[in-house]
Amino acid sequence: DAGVIQSPRHEVTEMGQEVTLRCKPISGHNSLFWYRQTMMRGLELLIYFNNNVPIDDSGMPEDRFSAKMPNASFSTLKIQPSEPRDSAVYFCASRPDGDKTFGNTIYFGEGSWLTVV
Amino acid sequence: DQQVKQNSPSLSVQEGRISILNCDYTNSMFDYFLWYKKYPAEGPTFLISISSIKDKNEDGRFTVFLNKSAKHLSLHIVPSQPGDSAVYFCAAAFSGTYKYIFGTGTRLKVLA
Repeated sequence: DAGVIQSPRHEVTEMGQEVTLRCKPISGHNSLFWYRQTMMRGLELLIYFNNNVPIDDSGMPEDRFSAKMPNASFSTLKIQPSEPRDSAVYFCASRPDGDKTFGNTIYFGEGSWLTVV
Repeated sequence: DQQVKQNSPSLSVQEGRISILNCDYTNSMFDYFLWYKKYPAEGPTFLISISSIKDKNEDGRFTVFLNKSAKHLSLHIVPSQPGDSAVYFCAAAFSGTYKYIFGTGTRLKVLA
């Protein structure tokens, strides 16, 4: 089975440019998450979608960040304009809604490494 | 304000010995805890979990211990193998919710 697919794997961009990260969740998973990994803060939840609807975007750092999920198989995270402090690894993850037992787990993609210079 | 803390950024252990990774949390309402393992250039993968109704959960070489009074959990790996070298994240959640709070990770290196 295909896992969570993210693109691009690596992105180097100049400060002020727009960056778009893409994610295809596991088929059948109703929940989608965007996380950011930094040394100082570990894995931070940026935004959570359920059935394509944004439920919690309280982790989005500021208005420069936006995320969309136009359908069940695609999501984007956009940074405009990008800044050097946005440099991090961005992970997309998904989870099936039906799994509400204590075995609840989320499945991560391989991440998008963003460097803003 | 870090609700889940992994105070050891790195740990080195000899192959065959026990690895103990620690995690502290501040919110006593958390009732579900997980450990994820992450290899370089890969996403984190689920390793083991424990609910607050238990104090121990074991899966092969991996055991997670939960001390609710101390708000502390630990992951024991016995025996440690070179393939266990990775970054380990602990996470805490309110069961049935979507929000997992992750720690900053501990990099484990198992020396052959």
